Amino acid sequence: GENVEQHPSTLSVQEGDSAVIKCTYSDSASNYFPWYKQELGKGPQLIIDIRSNVGEKKDQRIAVTLNKTAKHFSLHITETQPEDSAVYFCAASSGGYQKVTFGTGTKLQVIP
Amino acid sequence: NAGVTQTPKFQVLKTGQSMTLQCAQDMNHNSMYWYRQDPGMGLRLIYYSASEGTTDKGEVPNGYNVSRLNKREFSLRLESAAPSQTSVYFCASRQTGGSSTQYFGPGTRLTVL
Repeated sequence: GENVEQHPSTLSVQEGDSAVIKCTYSDSASNYFPWYKQELGKGPQLIIDIRSNVGEKKDQRIAVTLNKTAKHFSLHITETQPEDSAVYFCAASSGGYQKVTFGTGTKLQVIP
Repeated sequence: NAGVTQTPKFQVLKTGQSMTLQCAQDMNHNSMYWYRQDPGMGLRLIYYSASEGTTDKGEVPNGYNVSRLNKREFSLRLESAAPSQTSVYFCASRQTGGSSTQYFGPGTRLTVL
């Protein structure tokens, strides 16, 4: 089955700096890579996703890059703000997207 | 539009007790999922239901049963709770054939003593 590794497990940045979270996956058939943000006491919420036919996708301060050859993808948050503090999960799935395999999560702390 | 709702929010059980976690969605989604979240292990799929009337095992199904009661509701049952089932449980739903986005409920925090 699919295996998704995520690094780092914790990340502290100063407000205004950039944050980068990296993930690798094992199944070359995976073709959909979502990123979820989980705030304290809440369920995860999708913030951005990318499909395997695209190398990069941006949405305001958030961007995701995908390297299919190396089987890794990354989340980039620029100009971080305190409200970006949360746990972020990467994930991968294939085929009909029925089963999604999640990474172990990164706790991001943005220091004002 | 409440999205995905879960009950209860918190529960404490003794080893061997049984309980059912309830999940409902009002988005007319076909697929529903149950995950558990443990520190350092991310979200692991317990069971999922691709459509009303079907259920399939995920990564960690042992000790659990599910019922897709109708299109809206998907319940998770622990027949004989064990301390290893102490976790936060999340239900999610997704519309097949279109968006791949899974929508999560707020979670149920379960402690088994």
